[in-house]
Amino acid sequence: AQRVTQPEKLLSVFKGAPVELKCNYSYSGSPELFWYVQYSRQRLQLLLRHISRESIKGFTADLNKGETSFHLKKPFAQEEDSAMYYCALATGGSNYKLTFGKGTLLTVNP
Amino acid sequence: NAGVMQNPRHLVRRRGQEARLRCSPMKGHSHVYWYRQLPEEGLKFMVYLQKENIIDESGMPKERFSAEFPKEGPSILRIQQVVRGDSAAYFCASSPSGPSTEAFFGQGTRLTVV
Repeated sequence: AQRVTQPEKLLSVFKGAPVELKCNYSYSGSPELFWYVQYSRQRLQLLLRHISRESIKGFTADLNKGETSFHLKKPFAQEEDSAMYYCALATGGSNYKLTFGKGTLLTVNP
Repeated sequence: NAGVMQNPRHLVRRRGQEARLRCSPMKGHSHVYWYRQLPEEGLKFMVYLQKENIIDESGMPKERFSAEFPKEGPSILRIQQVVRGDSAAYFCASSPSGPSTEAFFGQGTRLTVV
């Protein structure tokens, strides 16, 4: 069965520091990975997907099939990046059959 | 556009009662997805519906759970004879034209079974 692991429940960094939110997955098929973000009192929203290979709000994520990882990185964290971040895996050749990790709460301190 | 609206936001049911969760998709969206987040777990896919059709219900529990998306009105996730293990947050998302387009999430309904 598929699984998404986000090993850190909480992550705290200072403004301007690099940040890396870890995500590992387990899936026997061809994975499609996403990062979702939930800002305080807002809804869950898509941040980026691995097939797009894009940078959103300065965040990037690279799919490493050898290590089964999809870590989210940003070189210089901003206070407005403080939020809950969820890694998600789509299975079955769809991008709606999502299994999410438990999430990492990122706090960026001034 | 008010976004995906779910109601109620909180629902308390006694064991054995029925729970009905509603999801109104964004205007112009005809594809709806339901997800469940059990305590201390991540969200997991339950069912994908288009207007009047269930497209994929592979994530739905085999018994007591059903979903519909009628021609008019919101999508409904129905749980019959609720048990304590059904206590969870249920999220709905909608997209305009199928799974290849971005889905937008509602704020969820938190179901508590007492």
